[in-house]
Order: sequence, then C-alpha cells, then structure tokens
Amino acid sequence: EVQLVESGGGLIQPGGSLRLSCAASGFTVSGDYMSWVRQAPGKGLEWVSVIYSSATTYYADSLKGRFTISRDDSKNTVYLQMNSLRAEDTAVYYCARGYSSTLADYFDYWGQGTLVTVSS
Amino acid sequence: DIQMTQSPSSLSASVGDRVTITCRASQSITSFLNWYQQKPGKAPKLLIYAASSLQSGVPSRFSGTGSGTDFTLTISSLQPEDSATYYCQQSYNTRYTFGQGTKLEIK
Repeated sequence: EVQLVESGGGLIQPGGSLRLSCAASGFTVSGDYMSWVRQAPGKGLEWVSVIYSSATTYYADSLKGRFTISRDDSKNTVYLQMNSLRAEDTAVYYCARGYSSTLADYFDYWGQGTLVTVSS
Repeated sequence: DIQMTQSPSSLSASVGDRVTITCRASQSITSFLNWYQQKPGKAPKLLIYAASSLQSGVPSRFSGTGSGTDFTLTISSLQPEDSATYYCQQSYNTRYTFGQGTKLEIK
C-alpha cells in the first residue's frame, strides 16, 4: 500500500528555516518523481517543487531560490528545506507522488499534509 | 508559466443535476490536464488524468473532455458526497500549475 507521511511543520518566526520530511512506503521515491504542493489557509493549491528520478529539480518562480528539495533513497524520504521564511509561506504543505508517461503526467498519491505557520 | 483559469469559481446544484466545470490554459497543453477533488481538511484526490482518463476507483459519473487549451469536468448526476472543491492542473511542463479551484455546493 502506498503511503506518504509528512512531518516537520510547526510555528516558525519570519526569517527562520524549517525542513519538512515526506516518508514514503509501498514504493521507492527514486522511482518516477516527487513533488511538494502547498495550500495557504482558505486558498487554492500551489505547486512548489519537484524532484525527478534523475535528481533534476525544479521550483516555482515565486520561491526565489529560498527552498530546496532533496531525497534520501536509503530512507525512502523526500525533504523540503525552507529558508528565509515569510508570512506568505504559511500553508499546509503536501507531498505527492508523480507518475509520468509519454501521454500522461499526474500526482496519484498525496500525504495528509503538514502545517507551517510563519509568525512572530 | 502556464496560467490555468477555472470557471465558475463556485456553484450550487441539486442532487441528480448535471454539473460542468471548465478550465482554460494560457497556451496549448495538448492533453496534459488533470482534475482533482478536495474536501475540507483533506488532501486532494486524483479524479481524471490526461484530460479524459478516469482514475481507478473513481465513480463513472465523473468524466473529462478537451485538448489544447479548453477542458471540462462533468459530473453526470450529482451526489451529496460530491460537495468539494475541484482543481484542474496542467502537467505539460515542469511548473505544474493549478487552476484557482471551483467550490461545488449541494443545494
């Protein structure tokens, strides 16, 4: 059974750093690809970052280089390092497994999310 | 980035109604369009991928059509459990942008 469990969220002061983890089971994170998606309170979904099986990474332009996605294949875990946090980064952060083929590309499994609150 | 625009932003319909939600991309995304359902306090759930393919386990009353820039999600006979917010998402390029969401309420 595929499972994704996020952790690491919490209350952090503006300018601080936080590392989120996404522990996977039932598949290997080095397989297709993994993404982070966030949702600010009462708002819609915003794609944040992706890491492909090749370890190639991409980020939303709005992050301006403050976030870094990585993975530890030995722990079957994906991480999101978030630096220089701002109030507008307050959101529930979801990790999602991606599936990709020549005709389709989608997030088929999602974690339950972890809440990050940036406030003084 | 590719912009995704959904309409309407919200709607209210009765059980048994046929409901259609539209999604427009700012450029052609061929058929790389997915639809997700999200209920309050829950993670999104994949409904439709590649514009028209039904994800395993999703009721057949959900269907998707379209290609290029214009797409639709249709619920053929609305059920009480379909009350949720629906999002389209493009996967044509690596910036996986979402639409702003359509909140569906049951009358």
